Amino acid sequence: GESVGLHLPTLSVQEGDNSIINCAYSNSASDYFIWYKQESGKGPQFIIDIRSNMDKRQGQRVTVLLNKTVKHLSLQIAATQPGDSAVYFCAEGLYGNNRLAFGKGNQVVVIP
Amino acid sequence: SQTIHQWPATLVQPVGSPLSLECTVEGTSNPNLYWYRQAAGRGLQLLFYSVGIGQISSEVPQNLSASRPQDRQFILSSKKLLLSDSGFYLCAWSLTGGSYTFGSGTRLTVV
Repeated sequence: GESVGLHLPTLSVQEGDNSIINCAYSNSASDYFIWYKQESGKGPQFIIDIRSNMDKRQGQRVTVLLNKTVKHLSLQIAATQPGDSAVYFCAEGLYGNNRLAFGKGNQVVVIP
Repeated sequence: SQTIHQWPATLVQPVGSPLSLECTVEGTSNPNLYWYRQAAGRGLQLLFYSVGIGQISSEVPQNLSASRPQDRQFILSSKKLLLSDSGFYLCAWSLTGGSYTFGSGTRLTVV
């Protein structure tokens, strides 16, 4: 079936640098995308979402970029902090549907 | 505001024993409810989802079952646990078209 995948299993980044986490999706019909952050031993937490009528959306220190042409989603974290160390999941779905498909996750390790 | 409660946080159970994990949602009506399992260092595997009371869809054949006796209550059960049932179990809820909100998870170790 359709799947969502991440390019890099682990990203090590120096504290203060910017982080970029990438995600490829294969369902061209998907119109809703979400990034989640999961810290060790906790449930995933919503970070930011974007609908397909947008190509960029900004939050606090985070930016999500959507390139529908190449079916690519990315999460940028500005001035990465130790508290950003976590696994990040992308998810795709159809807005109005009940189902999301989650990617495999990407570990971000922040080096102090 | 909406909240999701999942318990217990950790559980150690012997092989062959029964299991019951409970999840409740507050502050919303008729949510979609989900049970996921996550193996160590792995992604999220959808086990069951429910769009209403008594309506359960199973994603993978397994040793587990789910029930939704009330609108905001979702229960994950097993009659006899296997070693392979060990993992991190997550409950989540959503409203149609929205993102999922996850519970804090239950770490199950079958020994």
